[in-house]
Amino acid sequence: QKEVEQNSGPLSVPEGAIASLNCTYSDRGSQSFFWYRQYSGKSPELIMSIYSNGDKEDGRFTAQLNKASQYVSLLIRDSQPSDSATYLCAVMGRYSTLTFGKGTMLLVSP
Amino acid sequence: DTAVSQTPKYLVTQMGNDKSIKCEQNLGHDTMYWYKQDSKKFLKIMFSYNNKELIINETVPNRFSPKSPDKAHLNLHINSLELGDSAVYFCASSQTDRAYEQYFGPGTRLTVT
Repeated sequence: QKEVEQNSGPLSVPEGAIASLNCTYSDRGSQSFFWYRQYSGKSPELIMSIYSNGDKEDGRFTAQLNKASQYVSLLIRDSQPSDSATYLCAVMGRYSTLTFGKGTMLLVSP
Repeated sequence: DTAVSQTPKYLVTQMGNDKSIKCEQNLGHDTMYWYKQDSKKFLKIMFSYNNKELIINETVPNRFSPKSPDKAHLNLHINSLELGDSAVYFCASSQTDRAYEQYFGPGTRLTVT
């Protein structure tokens, strides 16, 4: 059973701080990793993808991947109250299907 | 224009009934999916379907069956509903070669009483 693990949170940060969200995965052969954001009562939306070790930046978001440690993270700089949501880590598996973690709830307080 | 739509948005029904949830996408995608999100917010793939093959998550009971009348639609049929089927069901779609970039529908909240 391939697994993706995340701390369910909530992770609380003040506005303007850096939020750090973490994810580990069990399948050492995984190559593709994604972060989805899900607002309460809404559907998930893709915000970041990463395939190579290191950092990938997109605006206020930075995804980090360490395949040796089987670890993926998402950093959100200058966190805003509108970033308050659940962040789902996902790993591409067999048959090009996504395996999601349970998500980390982020709360950004004004 | 709605990219991925689902009907109904809410579905309340009794144990033992048979129900269907409809999904339509107007993105021209060739792969569609059904996910189940339980009360703990765990989002789990149920089916992946394109015009060539159906991929089934082996943990899904055979009471659940996807039906695709055409490329733009993938409906979910559920027979003999059980209490444990209560969840939010999401439809999604993507291009087969960009399976990571899935567009999700708004979800259908199914409550089985």
